[in-house]
Amino acid sequence: EVQLVESGGGLIQPGGSLRLSCAASGFTVSSNYMSWVRQAPGKGLEWVSVIYSGGSTYYADSVKGRFTISRDNSKNTLYLQMNSLRAEDTAVYYCAREGYCSGGSCYSRVHGYWGQGTLVTVSS
Amino acid sequence: QSVLTQPPSVSGAPGQRVTISCTGSSSNIGAGYDVHWYQQLPGTAPKLLIYGNSNRPSGVPDRFSGSKSGTSASLAITGLQAEDEADYYCQSYDSSLSYVFGTGTKVTVL
Repeated sequence: EVQLVESGGGLIQPGGSLRLSCAASGFTVSSNYMSWVRQAPGKGLEWVSVIYSGGSTYYADSVKGRFTISRDNSKNTLYLQMNSLRAEDTAVYYCAREGYCSGGSCYSRVHGYWGQGTLVTVSS
Repeated sequence: QSVLTQPPSVSGAPGQRVTISCTGSSSNIGAGYDVHWYQQLPGTAPKLLIYGNSNRPSGVPDRFSGSKSGTSASLAITGLQAEDEADYYCQSYDSSLSYVFGTGTKVTVL
């Protein structure tokens, strides 16, 4: 069974740094595309970043240059290093495993499995 | 980066049919990328509802259906039930190498 458990959220001052973790079980992180998606309070979903199985990484313009996605294969864990945090980064951050397969067909670029999320609050 | 446009809210009585539109552009839906739909119940994480435009994951009732045409897609809920009250989001991929979500639609069961 696919399970994703995020941790590392909390209250941080503007300009500070925080690292989120997403511990995976039931599959291998390094063999899959993995994303971070966030949701500001009362707002919609916003894609943040993706890391492909080959190691390529991509970011939303809103976080480019400030956030870094990575993974630790030995721990089967995904990370999001967030630097220079701003009030507008306040959100619940979800990790998601990309892709969904059923009946012999597989689809990519779909957030097939989600964690429960971790709240990041940026405030002084 | 691009955003897909959805109506903020739709409502219907139990048993009725409601539809949610999702409008994109030539760089995402119109470029041939698949559309997927998520259901987010209050206080919970999003859950995959429809993938690959019109496919349902196991466990999703067949009263949910999806379609795609041109630069738009739609989600239909037939036989609306109280438990369907939730937020719904469409999602696709964009030629700018980013994922794009819809603005979200709140479904209210009257």
